[in-house]
Amino acid sequence: ILNVEQSPQSLHVQEGDSTNFTCSFPSSNFYALHWYRWETAKSPEALFVMTLNGDEKKKGRISATLNTKEGYSYLYIKGSQPEDSATYLCALYTGFQKLVFGTGTRLLVSP
Amino acid sequence: DAGITQSPRHKVTETGTPVTLRCHQTENHRYMYWYRQDPGHGLRLIHYSYGVKDTDKGEVSDGYSVSRSKTEDFLLTLESATSSQTSVYFCAISGDVGRTGDQYFGPGTRLLVL
Repeated sequence: ILNVEQSPQSLHVQEGDSTNFTCSFPSSNFYALHWYRWETAKSPEALFVMTLNGDEKKKGRISATLNTKEGYSYLYIKGSQPEDSATYLCALYTGFQKLVFGTGTRLLVSP
Repeated sequence: DAGITQSPRHKVTETGTPVTLRCHQTENHRYMYWYRQDPGHGLRLIHYSYGVKDTDKGEVSDGYSVSRSKTEDFLLTLESATSSQTSVYFCAISGDVGRTGDQYFGPGTRLLVL
């Protein structure tokens, strides 16, 4: 079973802090890596999908990078806001129309 | 937002009773999935469907069954609910969108088994 790891498990920062977390996976033999944002009581929302080594994606204050050779992806949030509080999930697509999810990083941003 | 609804949104039931959760989509997507979300485990796949009457097991399928008699509906049944099945259940859908496997999620069902 493919193991997708995320770190840290949880993170508590102050408003205005920049933060980043990691998604690690064992090999480069996959088609795509997804980042989702999940707020409690809501649906997981797609943030980014990346496919190539060196891919960088950005949406507002949130950005992500992908390194397939070393098996990791970083998600960055610049100037965190309380509304960024959520669980951030990464998922690997290795084919067969199934995603393998990491355990998530729970972010809490205090005013 | 993708047209995915789940019902019920919240349910409390007792150990040993049968429970059926429904996922309904209006996107005409081929693939449908049931996940459970538990602290420390992320999203784990229970069952998925790749067409009407075509289903397969995921990594945590024990104690669950599914059925898909129409493209738009995917049912998840707990034949005899146990406390370990207390969780948040998410349905997801995916079309034939190339090689990225994009999935879109429903709002979730919170199930408490007493």
